[in-house]
Amino acid sequence: DAGVIQSPRHEVTEMGQEVTLRCKPISGHDYLFWYRQTMMRGLELLIYFNNNVPIDDSGMPEDRFSAKMPNASFSTLKIQPSEPRDSAVYFCASSLGGAGGNTIYFGEGSWLTVV
Amino acid sequence: GESVGLHLPTLSVQEGDNSIINCAYSNSASDYFIWYKQESGKGPQFIIDIRSNMDKRQGQRVTVLLNKTVKHLSLQIAATQPGDSAVYFCAENSRKSGGSYIPTFGRGTSLIVHP
Repeated sequence: DAGVIQSPRHEVTEMGQEVTLRCKPISGHDYLFWYRQTMMRGLELLIYFNNNVPIDDSGMPEDRFSAKMPNASFSTLKIQPSEPRDSAVYFCASSLGGAGGNTIYFGEGSWLTVV
Repeated sequence: GESVGLHLPTLSVQEGDNSIINCAYSNSASDYFIWYKQESGKGPQFIIDIRSNMDKRQGQRVTVLLNKTVKHLSLQIAATQPGDSAVYFCAENSRKSGGSYIPTFGRGTSLIVHP
């Protein structure tokens, strides 16, 4: 299996621009997670989906952030407009059957810098 | 151990030594715990897990110990190798809205192995 695939790996954008991060989960996995990692706050869960449906988006920092999962093999995390404080590594992860006793597999991350 | 400061706790060891990384968790109701390893520029990778009905679990060169009385978790790495150099995260499953148990990550400990 190719694992969780994220794109772009690195993005540098100017403040105010729209940023779209993409994720392809592991085939057959029914849970998809978006995490953000910073030195200040560590790994934070932003939102997770089950069977393409958003279940909990309480971690999404504000309305500038939105996430979609139009089908089982694709999800996007969008930031519009972007701000310098959004600079972080954004990880997508997937699992089969939820994380109660199942391993979450992470992608390599999208490294976002907003200048 | 885990920290809420800006700088990650760091453990420096010599190659061949045993390493012990500690983690304190917060929710006494958590019943599933996971250790992840994150190498530079990569996403976290599953190492080993343990359920709350156990106090010890062994893998290949790694052992996780769970002390529910004091809400403490540790990861022991035997015969540490330079390839073990990474940031290690403990995660506890906590219940999110929607009913699923999702890992909440600690800040991480940086392990540096000197050849």
